[in-house]
Amino acid sequence: DAGVIQSPRHEVTEMGQEVTLRCKPISGHDYLFWYRQTMMRGLELLIYFNNNVPIDDSGMPEDRFSAKMPNASFSTLKIQPSEPRDSAVYFCASSLAGSYEQYFGPGTRLTVT
Amino acid sequence: GENVEQHPSTLSVQEGDSAVIKCTYSDSASNYFPWYKQELGKRPQLIIDIRSNVGEKKDQRIAVTLNKTAKHFSLHITETQPEDSAVYFCAATSSYNTDKLIFGTGTRLQVFP
Repeated sequence: DAGVIQSPRHEVTEMGQEVTLRCKPISGHDYLFWYRQTMMRGLELLIYFNNNVPIDDSGMPEDRFSAKMPNASFSTLKIQPSEPRDSAVYFCASSLAGSYEQYFGPGTRLTVT
Repeated sequence: GENVEQHPSTLSVQEGDSAVIKCTYSDSASNYFPWYKQELGKRPQLIIDIRSNVGEKKDQRIAVTLNKTAKHFSLHITETQPEDSAVYFCAATSSYNTDKLIFGTGTRLQVFP
């Protein structure tokens, strides 16, 4: 299995621009998680899906952030408009129902200037 | 609220010595406790986990112990090697959303040759 796939791996954008991060979970996994990692705040859960349905979005920082999962093999995290404080590494992870084991993708390093 | 505390935040050991990282959790209903290792610039990777019906689990040089009464669990690395240098995260499941992991703040382990 290819594991969790994320794209792009690096993104540099200017403040005010729209950013879209993409994730393909491990085939057959029922859960998909979006995390943000910074030195100051550590690893934060933003939102997670079960069978393509958002279950908990309480970690989404504000309305500028949105996430979708149109099908079992694809999810997006969008930031619009982006701000310098959004600079972080964004990880996607997936897991199989009942196992709890989350497998992380390689991450997207976002820099907003 | 749900919380996982992790100590110490940094740990330096000599190659060959043992390293111990401790975590406490607040929710007595938590039932799954994984440990992740994150090397610099890489994704978090699951290295060992334990479920609430087990008190100890070992895999070669790493072991995890769980004390449900005290609500704490620990990672033990014996015969440390320079390649063990990384940031280690503990986590616990949330009783509110059992598929969600609450992560600790991480321990930066440095193993000096």
